Amino acid sequence: QVQLAESGGGVVQPGRSLRLSCAASGFTFNSYGMHWVRQAPGKGLEWVAVMSYDGSNKNYADSVKGRFTISRDNSKNTLYLQMNSLRPEDTAVYYCAKVMLERATMTDHYYYYMDVWGKGTTVTVSS
Amino acid sequence: SYELTQPPSVSVSPGQTASITCSGDKLGDKYACWYQQKPGQSPVLVIYQDNRRPSGIPERFSGSNSGNSATLTISETQAMDEADYYCQAWDSSAVVFGGGTKLTVL
Repeated sequence: QVQLAESGGGVVQPGRSLRLSCAASGFTFNSYGMHWVRQAPGKGLEWVAVMSYDGSNKNYADSVKGRFTISRDNSKNTLYLQMNSLRPEDTAVYYCAKVMLERATMTDHYYYYMDVWGKGTTVTVSS
Repeated sequence: SYELTQPPSVSVSPGQTASITCSGDKLGDKYACWYQQKPGQSPVLVIYQDNRRPSGIPERFSGSNSGNSATLTISETQAMDEADYYCQAWDSSAVVFGGGTKLTVL
């Protein structure tokens, strides 16, 4: 079955870096765009970034632009989120999620529906 | 930046109909979707493209979207439907979530 498994979370000091991974299985990873979404403790969902199935397009929330980088290795069925210059407000559970339709592009509304989510990995930014 | 507004909480009696609204400027001109999140679990897509249900989502979940509001309707609400619900749309290639609504089934 379709599965997503995030890893790489932990406790990190402000200003430091962390790289999250999302291992995908059960579907043709290189045919689907992928999102990162986070949820601060006791708060709602906040979208972080999206990357197209082939890596040619990516977009970021204003809150992370210039600090976070989304990438993917289709040969390893893995999505990444490189997080630099971390701040306490980046503390959250980070989820990866799959775009609903294969080969959807950013002009297609299906690009923005997330039909499978991982269980999340927790990032805590604290001194 | 685009914003979506939801009521923080909605209560419903078992077997009754629950309606959760999501407001945004000209939201009806966009597509909306809805996620359900139970405590300690990951979100689940329950409605996409305003009113379509993914496979496995019960028929009692339905959606609509026009003007400045989208609505998630849960008919014959069950105790298992108690959860947080988030609307979502996108604007300028960025995803926007509503603040979430806690549905309580009393």
